Amino acid sequence: EPEVTQTPSHQVTQMGQEVILRCVPISNHLYFYWYRQILGQKVEFLVSFYNNEISEKSEIFDDQFSVERPDGSNFTLKIRSTKLEDSAMYFCASSHEGVWNQPQHFGDGTRLSIL
Amino acid sequence: RKEVEQDPGPFNVPEGATVAFNCTYSNSASQSFFWYRQDCRKEPKLLMSVYSSGNEDGRFTAQLNRASQYISLLIRDSKLSDSATYLCSFGNEKLTFGTGTRLTIIP
Repeated sequence: EPEVTQTPSHQVTQMGQEVILRCVPISNHLYFYWYRQILGQKVEFLVSFYNNEISEKSEIFDDQFSVERPDGSNFTLKIRSTKLEDSAMYFCASSHEGVWNQPQHFGDGTRLSIL
Repeated sequence: RKEVEQDPGPFNVPEGATVAFNCTYSNSASQSFFWYRQDCRKEPKLLMSVYSSGNEDGRFTAQLNRASQYISLLIRDSKLSDSATYLCSFGNEKLTFGTGTRLTIIP
């Protein structure tokens, strides 16, 4: 069964440094998402991406965050200047159509630890 | 009212028993509903979509009550492998998740 893949599985970074989290969505999917989950808390939506542009973003997704689809397969999340509170699991997800047609499938996540 | 409310549990249930969870949501415009399961420190995995007419997948039954704005999940003949946190979610594009209900099946 096709799956969403994410790299790295664990990223440790000094506060203030930039990080790039990478995702390869399922190949025929058109909608891409990033979510995060702080330890012990619920999964929170960050951003959705369709047709090479952001379609929706949450309050969490401020100017420090950006997303990109640099080629036909990768989907990246960049955090420009990391803060301690950015420490969380970051999940990429994709769906074939809008969520009202198809559910979202999640990658196994990147654990981001900010020191 | 919170966007999504779930009983966090924990539910400790003997193997073979039936267990049910509810999840209430506040956004009446929501079009799509899902149950995900999440094992400790893992990604959410889709368990099932929830349809207006209710749907069943093996031992799992999901129901949607739009009038009262809740969805439910019923697990019959529970197995040890059903131990996990069950997340309800809904949305029209982005998914909003509940905090999850922790289920432990006891041998």
